[in-house]
Amino acid sequence: NAGVTQTPKFRILKIGQSMTLQCTQDMNHNYMYWYRQDPGMGLKLIYYSVGAGITDKGEVPNGYNVSRSTTEDFPLRLELAAPSQTSVYFCASRTRGHYGYTFGSGTRLTVV
Amino acid sequence: QKEVEQNSGPLSVPEGAIASLNCTYSDRGSQSFFWYRQYSGKSPELIMSIYSNGDKEDGRFTAQLNKASQYVSLLIRDSQPSDSATYLCAVNVAETSGSRLTFGEGTQLTVNP
Repeated sequence: NAGVTQTPKFRILKIGQSMTLQCTQDMNHNYMYWYRQDPGMGLKLIYYSVGAGITDKGEVPNGYNVSRSTTEDFPLRLELAAPSQTSVYFCASRTRGHYGYTFGSGTRLTVV
Repeated sequence: QKEVEQNSGPLSVPEGAIASLNCTYSDRGSQSFFWYRQYSGKSPELIMSIYSNGDKEDGRFTAQLNKASQYVSLLIRDSQPSDSATYLCAVNVAETSGSRLTFGEGTQLTVNP
């Protein structure tokens, strides 16, 4: 039981490049979330999903896209990377009826 | 007004003292409240959840909730250097498309030996 797995752990992108941050959970959780955390700040919600095939925008969705084709996977796509997207990205999941999240270990992204 | 506000840090306490962390929230309809601990360079870890007014104790940690005042707090008794971390208050916000946690900016706690 690995919990929530995020890959890669670190990445440096050039401005204008694209990439996908991977998130997989093996707990059969319906709900999955993507947050970003800037230095010294709390977590801001980018996108979330309440089940396969259903996604919705959070507070800061611009510049990102998601998909949820299976219960296990919730990838986050960055198109045309910008320096403002330099951050640590956390994926989280929870089960129905329980509102505490399990977080992945994070992806530290730098856009130069 | 921010949805979740935490007392500004950093907070420094001596080993063995009580550390008090505070949080206020704006959504009166919120029903679920959480405290996460985040060590530097690591992901947040859930340490306490509270749903009803009053106190909830778990070991050295006590969460307190006052829905009328829209106030949540975390007390850490007998603070240890290993408690040095950033503590994030999170409030569950219900929306038509599903609920989400809204986080405060965190309070950095340092426990000095």
